[in-house]
Amino acid sequence: DIQMTQSPSSLSASVGERVIISCQASQDIDKSLNWYQQKPGEAPKLLIYGASTLGAGVPSRFSGSGSGTDFTLTISGLQPDDFATYYCQQYDALPWVFTFGPGTRVDL
Amino acid sequence: QVELEQSGPQVKKPGASVKVSCRTSGYTFIHFGVTWVRQVPGQGLEWMGWINPYNGNTVYAQNLQGRVNMTTDSSTNTASMDLRSLISEDTGVYYCARYVWSVSGSYLDFWGQGSVVIVSS
Repeated sequence: DIQMTQSPSSLSASVGERVIISCQASQDIDKSLNWYQQKPGEAPKLLIYGASTLGAGVPSRFSGSGSGTDFTLTISGLQPDDFATYYCQQYDALPWVFTFGPGTRVDL
Repeated sequence: QVELEQSGPQVKKPGASVKVSCRTSGYTFIHFGVTWVRQVPGQGLEWMGWINPYNGNTVYAQNLQGRVNMTTDSSTNTASMDLRSLISEDTGVYYCARYVWSVSGSYLDFWGQGSVVIVSS
């Protein structure tokens, strides 16, 4: 099974800062990597799919990059609404299995 | 607009079964998959499996094989997830999400609001 790790597990940042979150897969997953944002008490929200494609309605300050085993989510200019937990998630085309990373909490 | 509306909170005893439903609207039900994800209190997201409403095919997480069953009803555009032989570690919030698979990727683009399941004696 493919394992996903994220770093850091949590970070503190200020409004306006650039934040970078890393996600690593235990084996090559090409660009089969998505990012989600979750706020307390809410369902997750899709941010990025296919490693770098912005989800519908997602602000352009969010960007994703990477392929193979190493991926990053960048928030360029942190906004008050961005304090949340971020999860990466890989998908195996066959047998159509998803795996989430452990999450990165972004605090003020 | 796309919406996924889930059933309400439930309290179950260990060893019992729970059924969580997810009523969808705003899109053609059989054209997208439905995935189930759960979250134990204070923990991360755990993928449980998914179902293709077009043909009923399912894929389940290995650790839930034999305890979980996912079904759909195309007449009501509703997906359901049954989990049996409940243990306290099954306590958490259960989410359904629309599963998109395309040439540009596979992802979960719309989510239900979550259904709380508490397993307690």
